Amino acid sequence: DADVTQTPRNRITKTGKRIMLECSQTKGHDRMYWYRQDPGLGLRLIYYSFDVKDINKGEISDGYSVSRQAQAKFSLSLESAIPNQTALYFCATSGPTADRWGVDGYTFGSGTRLTVV
Amino acid sequence: GDSVTQMEGPVTLSEEAFLTINCTYTATGYPSLFWYVQYPGEGLQLLLKATKADDKGSNKGFEATYRKETTSFHLEKGSVQVSDSAVYFCALSARGNSGNTPLVFGKGTRLSVIA
Repeated sequence: DADVTQTPRNRITKTGKRIMLECSQTKGHDRMYWYRQDPGLGLRLIYYSFDVKDINKGEISDGYSVSRQAQAKFSLSLESAIPNQTALYFCATSGPTADRWGVDGYTFGSGTRLTVV
Repeated sequence: GDSVTQMEGPVTLSEEAFLTINCTYTATGYPSLFWYVQYPGEGLQLLLKATKADDKGSNKGFEATYRKETTSFHLEKGSVQVSDSAVYFCALSARGNSGNTPLVFGKGTRLSVIA
């Protein structure tokens, strides 16, 4: 099994529908993130969570919400999907390091390709 | 806020050519710097990193040196292979009150290597 699993892999939905993207991890990491990838724009941060009780907005949180159900699960919801939310969505995790200021690499899921029509 | 600027692609090279992908950054603190690679249909993978000035990150023949004086972290490889065809992202994470801030990514550079 993959360290970070995203479901579904692909989804087509209609404008106005509510949709949830799910992410689960087996890394035992406290930190989890949702990013959105658009061609020519790179990855932009939607929401992040440093532990189960901590939720933070990222650069582009409008129109999205998240839920951290457990250390291993972090879901992203689009309350009322619109076409410009068509994108590739990535979940990622990161863990603690020996040095508080050190950073290990993130572990990314394989992505969810969402199309809103 | 913090930001990363990397050269726009696509970049097309012949096998065994020398690769440079430029990356510069703006950060209020003292960031850690990263290069990630995304192969077709996959998520991102960490390629290399550097956490302080003059550090050199290296992996799979790729190298990048953290240059604080020029705020740069350019990616280089002496001889590219067809299997290096991918999208490359430069990223940074700055020091915050609760540890490092989430990664900020550049827009990505698509590399195509032809035989």
